[in-house]
Amino acid sequence: NAGVTQTPKFQVLKTGQSMTLQCAQDMNHNSMYWYRQDPGMGLRLIYYSASEGTTDKGEVPNGYNVSRLNKREFSLRLESAAPSQTSVYFCASSEWGGDGYTFGSGTRLTVV
Amino acid sequence: GENVEQHPSTLSVQEGDSAVIKCTYSDSASNYFPWYKQELGKRPQLIIDIRSNVGEKKDQRIAVTLNKTAKHFSLHITETQPEDSAVYFCAAPPGKSTFGDGTTLTVKP
Repeated sequence: NAGVTQTPKFQVLKTGQSMTLQCAQDMNHNSMYWYRQDPGMGLRLIYYSASEGTTDKGEVPNGYNVSRLNKREFSLRLESAAPSQTSVYFCASSEWGGDGYTFGSGTRLTVV
Repeated sequence: GENVEQHPSTLSVQEGDSAVIKCTYSDSASNYFPWYKQELGKRPQLIIDIRSNVGEKKDQRIAVTLNKTAKHFSLHITETQPEDSAVYFCAAPPGKSTFGDGTTLTVKP
């Protein structure tokens, strides 16, 4: 049981480049989430998917898009990366709603 | 977060002392209250949670208490140890911004 797997673990982008962060969970959870965490800061919700086939904006969605590919996978796309998107990105899943998140190990993204 | 306020933002205690972190929430629909611990450079991990039909829950040295009328819940850590040093987050789903801003706990040996 891997739990929540995120790839890549580290990434450096140039301003304007695009990339997709991948997330997969093997716990048969219905809900999945993407958060960003800036140094010394809390967790801010970017997008979430309450169930397969649905996605909704969180607190800080600008500059991001998401795809709930199937029940297991939830990807986050940066179309045109900006230095302000330098952060650690965490994917999480839960059985339903906000119950007991399991987090991935994070992706450390630097945009130069 | 807009739905949850967490205090204090930093807390320093001597090893063996108790630590208390408090969260206040605003959404009356919240009925599940978890606490997460995040060690430096690692992912947040669930350490304890409570549902709204229970007033208190204990797990060894940690406990969570809930006052639904006042809309606040607290994390209590007794006999603190240096390995308890971390950032602690509360949450009160549902809601788009469900996490508190975190409390950095430092336990001095």
